[in-house]
Amino acid sequence: AQSVTQLGSHVSVSEGALVLLRCNYSSSVPPYLFWYVQYPNQGLQLLLKYTSAATLVKGINGFEAEFKKSETSFHLTKPSAHMSDAAEYFCAANAGGTSYGKLTFGQGTILTVHP
Amino acid sequence: EPEVTQTPSHQVTQMGQEVILRCVPISNHLYFYWYRQILGQKVEFLVSFYNNEISEKSEIFDDQFSVERPDGSNFTLKIRSTKLEDSAMYFCASHQETQYFGPGTRLLVL
Repeated sequence: AQSVTQLGSHVSVSEGALVLLRCNYSSSVPPYLFWYVQYPNQGLQLLLKYTSAATLVKGINGFEAEFKKSETSFHLTKPSAHMSDAAEYFCAANAGGTSYGKLTFGQGTILTVHP
Repeated sequence: EPEVTQTPSHQVTQMGQEVILRCVPISNHLYFYWYRQILGQKVEFLVSFYNNEISEKSEIFDDQFSVERPDGSNFTLKIRSTKLEDSAMYFCASHQETQYFGPGTRLLVL
């Protein structure tokens, strides 16, 4: 069965520092992969998605993620954290070979940004 | 920009009562989903809906749950007899190339 693991339930960085949020998936077939962000009292907003095209995917707000099949990883990065990046981040996968169908989520990582 | 909306934002109910959670998906989307997130746990898939029928459901989605698209715009999740463990945030999503999520309904069962 498909599973998604996010290492670290909480990550804390200083403003201007590199953000690295880790995500690993388990799947016999490379899935479609997504990162969503959830700000307090809001829904899940799509940051970026991997759909078997380019392995380095750029998203909104300066975030990007790299698909590494050999490591079964899809880590999310941002070169310089901003206070407004503080939120909960979810990695998700769709194993259907298309972008349709249920998403399997990781447990989420809360990002705190210190001034 | 079109968005998925959900009502109510919060609902408190007594155990054993029926609740209906409402969602208005993005208008030209064809696939609809419900997910839930129990406090401190992962977001879990409940059910997907396409062409006016359930296309997939999880083991969580038992006989106490049902979904409906009563009027071509709303998409509802009904829980017939709520249990304490149904307390969670419920998210609706609709799909056109990507799943777009609503803001959620926080359900508290007392």
